[in-house]
Amino acid sequence: AQSVTQLGSHVSVSEGALVLLRCNYSSSVPPYLFWYVQYPNQGLQLLLKYTSAATLVKGINGFEAEFKKSETSFHLTKPSAHMSDAAEYFCAVTNRDDKIIFGKGTRLHILP
Amino acid sequence: SQTIHQWPATLVQPVGSPLSLECTVEGTSNPNLYWYRQAAGRGLQLLFYSVGIGQISSEVPQNLSASRPQDRQFILSSKKLLLSDSGFYLCAWSVLETGELFFGEGSRLTVL
Repeated sequence: AQSVTQLGSHVSVSEGALVLLRCNYSSSVPPYLFWYVQYPNQGLQLLLKYTSAATLVKGINGFEAEFKKSETSFHLTKPSAHMSDAAEYFCAVTNRDDKIIFGKGTRLHILP
Repeated sequence: SQTIHQWPATLVQPVGSPLSLECTVEGTSNPNLYWYRQAAGRGLQLLFYSVGIGQISSEVPQNLSASRPQDRQFILSSKKLLLSDSGFYLCAWSVLETGELFFGEGSRLTVL
């Protein structure tokens, strides 16, 4: 069985500071991992995905995530936060043969 | 390219009234289709998924039903809405190779 844990339902960072959103997963087979972003009253948009190629994945809007098998983690980072990054972020895992599983989400707040 | 649309975007309905939310996908054939619900502070809940015309799987027992009358059309329905049916409903389709989901814009349902 697969699962995803996102640490922190709310994270606040200052504008210009590092963004770090944490995601740990559990999967009995090599996983595919995703980060999605959701702005208010909109659908989820794919930020980036890991599908067993390079372990450091670059996505849209300057975000990136690193797959660490030994730590079962797929944390999302961005070097410098922008006000427009305020949104809810979802980590997700699948193994192609099963349905995608989402974390509960982390709401990112950007402080001026 | 593939696109997904759902409507209506916003709906306010009285308790006991019927519901129909529609989702269509363009640019792909035989997609896997999904209905999710987001209630405030409760993350994403998978309601239904479909791997083909007329094939519907329900994830949770509830007041809602789904139908897939055409390959790229997915409909969420209810005969009598409850207050607890309020929420943000998201339709999605998946890429079979990686399992990633692409979401529609969402439909905000308020039951009064």
